[in-house]
Amino acid sequence: KNQVEQSPQSLIILEGKNCTLQCNYTVSPFSNLRWYKQDTGRGPVSLTIMTFSENTKSNGRYTATLDADTKQSSLHITASQLSDSASYICVVGGTTSGTYKYIFGTGTRLKVLA
Amino acid sequence: DGGITQSPKYLFRKEGQNVTLSCEQNLNHDAMYWYRQDPGQGLRLIYYSQIVNDFQKGDIAEGYSVSREKKESFPLTVTSAQKNPTAFYLCASKEKQQDNSPLHFGNGTRLTVT
Repeated sequence: KNQVEQSPQSLIILEGKNCTLQCNYTVSPFSNLRWYKQDTGRGPVSLTIMTFSENTKSNGRYTATLDADTKQSSLHITASQLSDSASYICVVGGTTSGTYKYIFGTGTRLKVLA
Repeated sequence: DGGITQSPKYLFRKEGQNVTLSCEQNLNHDAMYWYRQDPGQGLRLIYYSQIVNDFQKGDIAEGYSVSREKKESFPLTVTSAQKNPTAFYLCASKEKQQDNSPLHFGNGTRLTVT
């Protein structure tokens, strides 16, 4: 069964600290993996995309890693800010029977405290 | 600025009434999607459309209907047949259904049915 599991479910950190969010997937076939940030009451916004051959990709203070062999990805946030408080969703995409599909994780809810 | 507009942001309806959620995009994207988001669950696909006058059922299409008469618009009707309609509904679009481009999301409509 195609699944995307994220951990932890929720996380509280102090402003300025780093944190790492995890994503494990069992989606096949695999095309790419994206991390989205979703502020409360808003739609998700894409942070990074990683394809099968990429190991690391950065977007400012966000760094995503991908290990296609173990089917694991992580999102590392450096020097957290209050505005980082949001849900972070891991999404795996792939083509099945000619149709491109997305499998969404349940997200990690991050709270950054002053 | 280009983007996706969902309206209204909040919607309240009595059980047994049909309700239509609006989704408009000015990104010139071919593909549009409707997702449902419930607490503790990943986004689930309701319907998608690859091109004007075409749409396909997603994983949880029962009790919903859509139309795609214009490229810019993809309204979702939640019918009285939907057993548990209270949820956060997200509309998204991307350039082509089969390509690697990111999903662009609207800011959602929160539907409450009592």
